[in-house]
Amino acid sequence: DAGVIQSPRHEVTEMGQEVTLRCKPISGHDYLFWYRQTMMRGLELLIYFNNNVPIDDSGMPEDRFSAKMPNASFSTLKIQPSEPRDSAVYFCASSLGDRGLQPQHFGDGTRLSIL
Amino acid sequence: QKEVEQNSGPLSVPEGAIASLNCTYSDRGSQSFFWYRQYSGKSPELIMFIYSNGDKEDGRFTAQLNKASQYVSLLIRDSQPSDSATYLCAVNYDDYKLSFGAGTTVTVRA
Repeated sequence: DAGVIQSPRHEVTEMGQEVTLRCKPISGHDYLFWYRQTMMRGLELLIYFNNNVPIDDSGMPEDRFSAKMPNASFSTLKIQPSEPRDSAVYFCASSLGDRGLQPQHFGDGTRLSIL
Repeated sequence: QKEVEQNSGPLSVPEGAIASLNCTYSDRGSQSFFWYRQYSGKSPELIMFIYSNGDKEDGRFTAQLNKASQYVSLLIRDSQPSDSATYLCAVNYDDYKLSFGAGTTVTVRA
């Protein structure tokens, strides 16, 4: 079975530019999560969706960050305008429901560098 | 996010030995506990998950959970060089959210 698919794998852009990260969850999974990983802060949950609806975005750092899930097989995380401190690895993960008892499966991540 | 603490590394063990990784968590309401392995430059990969007090074994890996002590551990038996990685402890809260520890880096010496 195909796992979680993220694109692009690497993104290098200049400060102030818009960045869009993409994710395709595992087919049949109804929960989708966006995480950010840095050396300083580790792996942090940004936002998660259930059946395409955003449930909790309390981890989104600023209004510059936004996420959407227009259908069950696609989600985006957008940063506009980007800043150097947004440089990190961004992971998407998906899982089945069952009140958090099901494990989350991670994509390969997008390594984002803002110059 | 809720607090998840892991024993500080790095942990260096000889090949064939047992590697023991520990994790404590702050939220007494947590119900599910996960161990992920992350190789350098790669994504977290699920190794084990456990929900009930006691031990759960899967091959060379054993997860142990003690909810009263808010403690979960991972034992890696017969450690191999391919086990060299960072191991992340993750604990659920508010049902679907996961809080991750900072990770313990394990190095298996050949």
